[in-house]
Amino acid sequence: GQSLEQPSEVTAVEGAIVQINCTYQTSGFYGLSWYQQHDGGAPTFLSYNGLDGLEETGRFSSFLSRSDSYGYLLLQELQMKDSASYFCAVRDETGANNLFFGTGTRLTVIP
Amino acid sequence: NAGVMQNPRHLVRRRGQEARLRCSPMKGHSHVYWYRQLPEEGLKFMVYLQKENIIDESGMPKERFSAEFPKEGPSILRIQQVVRGDSAAYFCASSLSAAGETRNEQFFGPGTRLTVL
Repeated sequence: GQSLEQPSEVTAVEGAIVQINCTYQTSGFYGLSWYQQHDGGAPTFLSYNGLDGLEETGRFSSFLSRSDSYGYLLLQELQMKDSASYFCAVRDETGANNLFFGTGTRLTVIP
Repeated sequence: NAGVMQNPRHLVRRRGQEARLRCSPMKGHSHVYWYRQLPEEGLKFMVYLQKENIIDESGMPKERFSAEFPKEGPSILRIQQVVRGDSAAYFCASSLSAAGETRNEQFFGPGTRLTVL
């Protein structure tokens, strides 16, 4: 089976940097994705790592180490609007397109 | 280009009634996925469809739940004889990915929040 582990909650100060970790177990690996979801809203795609290393998209970066089965999402220059839940996700271990999501990390940004 | 559309946004049903949730994917997308989310939890995959075909329904409960994606019209998730435990947010997503494309960015609709009384 597949499993993803993330911290359940993280609190950080506006303007700071925060890192949200994700470790995964899956027999077939096809990359790690990150999604953001505000309360009552729909998940929105943030980032994808298919290969080891860092992917940068503005204030958000994502990192993957396949040998460690580990990735993280890095949020810089935190803003109040970044308060949301962040989910890591992998594709089904068979290679099918459907996603398997972690339980999510609730980020609270405080002034 | 309109995003993924879902309706209704909120649906209230009494136990034993039927719930029909509709999803129109983004224009040009032929892959549709349904996920369920309980409060304070992550999204759980239910079913993956392409036009007129169910590709993977391994996440669907064996009874009372069914899904379709007809040649014309939206995808429908149907829950018969609803029970209180069916109360959740149901999200539809669509993607453009062709076979072998690994990024598979999925675009989510706003969800249907089902409440069973």
